[in-house]
Amino acid sequence: KAGVTQTPRYLIKTRGQQVTLSCSPISGHRSVSWYQQTPGQGLQFLFEYFSETQRNKGNFPGRFSGRQFSNSRSEMNVSTLELGDSALYLCASSELPGLAGVTDTQYFGPGTRLTVL
Amino acid sequence: QKEVEQNSGPLSVPEGAIASLNCTYSDRGSQSFFWYRQYSGKSPELIMFIYSNGDKEDGRFTAQLNKASQYVSLLIRDSQPSDSATYLCAPSDSSASKIIFGSGTRLSIRP
Repeated sequence: KAGVTQTPRYLIKTRGQQVTLSCSPISGHRSVSWYQQTPGQGLQFLFEYFSETQRNKGNFPGRFSGRQFSNSRSEMNVSTLELGDSALYLCASSELPGLAGVTDTQYFGPGTRLTVL
Repeated sequence: QKEVEQNSGPLSVPEGAIASLNCTYSDRGSQSFFWYRQYSGKSPELIMFIYSNGDKEDGRFTAQLNKASQYVSLLIRDSQPSDSATYLCAPSDSSASKIIFGSGTRLSIRP
């Protein structure tokens, strides 16, 4: 099976712009989670989608949003970019959505490295 | 605030020795535990997962879980230079279907 794919792999934007990142999960996986990784904060959970519904959301401002399509592909959008949004954005897919306390194994894509100038 | 504590390292281990990576977590309700390996500039790669107390072995890797002590560890036997990476401990969140990641331990295997 092909792994999780993310596009684009690299992106350079300026402050105030918006950006859309895309993630295609492993075939048959219906749950997609997004993470932000920075050297100072580590891996921070953004949100999780299953069956086109957002099931969980992390502590990020409303400028960060996402959606999932009927084919399980997911996009995340960041509006009004700030310098602090520069990070590696990772998408992970799992077969099942999991329950509180019990999480299905997540497989990560290669990430999109976003640089905000 | 649910916390996952890992020694940031670097942990330096000679080639061929056993590397021991430790993790403590604050969420008593966590039921799933994952170890990921992340090479510099790459995305995390799943190494092991464990759900039950005790040991779970997979090749050179052994995960150990003690829920009473809220402690999970990863042992790497016969360490190789290719094992040099950051290892992320990730227990599940008891109040939501998500994983909480530790900040990782940087492991360096010296020839």
